[in-house]
Amino acid sequence: GAGVSQTPSNKVTEKGKYVELRCDPISGHTALYWYRQSLGQGPEFLIYFQGTGAADDSGLPNDRFFAVRPEGSVSTLKIQRTERGDSAVYLCASSYPGIDTQYFGPGTRLTVL
Amino acid sequence: ELKVEQNPLFLSMQEGKNYTIYCNYSTTSDRLYWYRQDPGKSLESLFVLLSNGAVKQEGRLMASLDTKARLSTLHITAAVHDLSATYFCAVDRDSGYALNFGKGTSLLVTP
Repeated sequence: GAGVSQTPSNKVTEKGKYVELRCDPISGHTALYWYRQSLGQGPEFLIYFQGTGAADDSGLPNDRFFAVRPEGSVSTLKIQRTERGDSAVYLCASSYPGIDTQYFGPGTRLTVL
Repeated sequence: ELKVEQNPLFLSMQEGKNYTIYCNYSTTSDRLYWYRQDPGKSLESLFVLLSNGAVKQEGRLMASLDTKARLSTLHITAAVHDLSATYFCAVDRDSGYALNFGKGTSLLVTP
């Protein structure tokens, strides 16, 4: 079956601009996670959704970052007033409730010039 | 603050040799995950260890978990070039199901 998909695969933007990154989880997965990975580092947690609600958003670095999942499926990560330090690969993962394995998407590489 | 520490961070080994990657963590979680990442690719789940003493094996890789010592190991037997990748361990965050990852061990297997 189809895995987790993310669009776009690459995004180049200028400092100060607004960007949206999309994640389409595996069908039936109610849990959805956003992470970001900087070069040479492990993924860093951002936010976790169970259904439509954010169960844990403690990883969002500041109020420029926001994520939604209005229908409990597709999620959008929104970054306002982008900064060069936001450049990273943004990874999305999903899982069944009560099943531990998280399945990761291919990521969106964000570059802020 | 939850810490997940892997060592070594870089490992170059010859084909046919054995080696162990170590993952220490500071939480009381009894669940630990190992992932593999190839260059430019996303993460692939290798093992999910759900209890103290859990041991899982797949091919040339074997993972174990000691929750009392807060230590997991990933043992590589008779390494082959195809195992070259970065290996991450991760544990549950205190707040729930999201994961805290280590920095990764970059493994290079040479002829």
